[in-house]
Amino acid sequence: GDSVTQMEGPVTLSEEAFLTINCTYTATGYPSLFWYVQYPGEGLQLLLKATKADDKGSNKGFEATYRKETTSFHLEKGSVQVSDSAVYFCALIGGGSTLGRLYFGRGTQLTVWP
Amino acid sequence: GAGVSQSPSNKVTEKGKDVELRCDPISGHTALYWYRQSLGQGLEFLIYFQGNSAPDKSGLPSDRFSAERTGGSVSTLTIQRTQQEDSAVYLCASSPGSAKSGQFFGPGTRLTVL
Repeated sequence: GDSVTQMEGPVTLSEEAFLTINCTYTATGYPSLFWYVQYPGEGLQLLLKATKADDKGSNKGFEATYRKETTSFHLEKGSVQVSDSAVYFCALIGGGSTLGRLYFGRGTQLTVWP
Repeated sequence: GAGVSQSPSNKVTEKGKDVELRCDPISGHTALYWYRQSLGQGLEFLIYFQGNSAPDKSGLPSDRFSAERTGGSVSTLTIQRTQQEDSAVYLCASSPGSAKSGQFFGPGTRLTVL
């Protein structure tokens, strides 16, 4: 079945450090891929998305590239800020559809220190 | 415009009682989803409505859980004879007919079963 595996946290970084959170997936067909973020005390927010191979999603300085050959969608940011401290979830909708349920990874807690 | 809203924001109930959780999706969104988030289980899919089609109930954990969506808009998730393991944050999301823009989440209802 469809599934997402993301790196275990917590991840602790100093401000302006480079961030990578790994995400790999298993899916039939061609999934659509998403990163969601959950700031402390808040709900889930869509951070970025990619719907086909080699697409790059980007938002707020974060980027992720849909790599079909490695079934990956790693999240990167060149210079993190304290305000980026949150839990990050990788997710997919399987089968080439953009409707239907999201399959989520377990989440990665990021803490950025000043 | 208004986002997804959920009520109540918090609900404390006694074991064995029934509870109803409400979701108001973004106006014009045809798809509506329920998930729950708990420490032990992460983010779990519960049920999905798309237009007038039969809902996808494959994620409901037991027959104590049910949901309906009236008039293609508001949805109610009902949990009968609540158990302590039902304690979680219940999240509602909606998406437009073409969900390439992703699913948009409400703030959640935190359910505590004593």
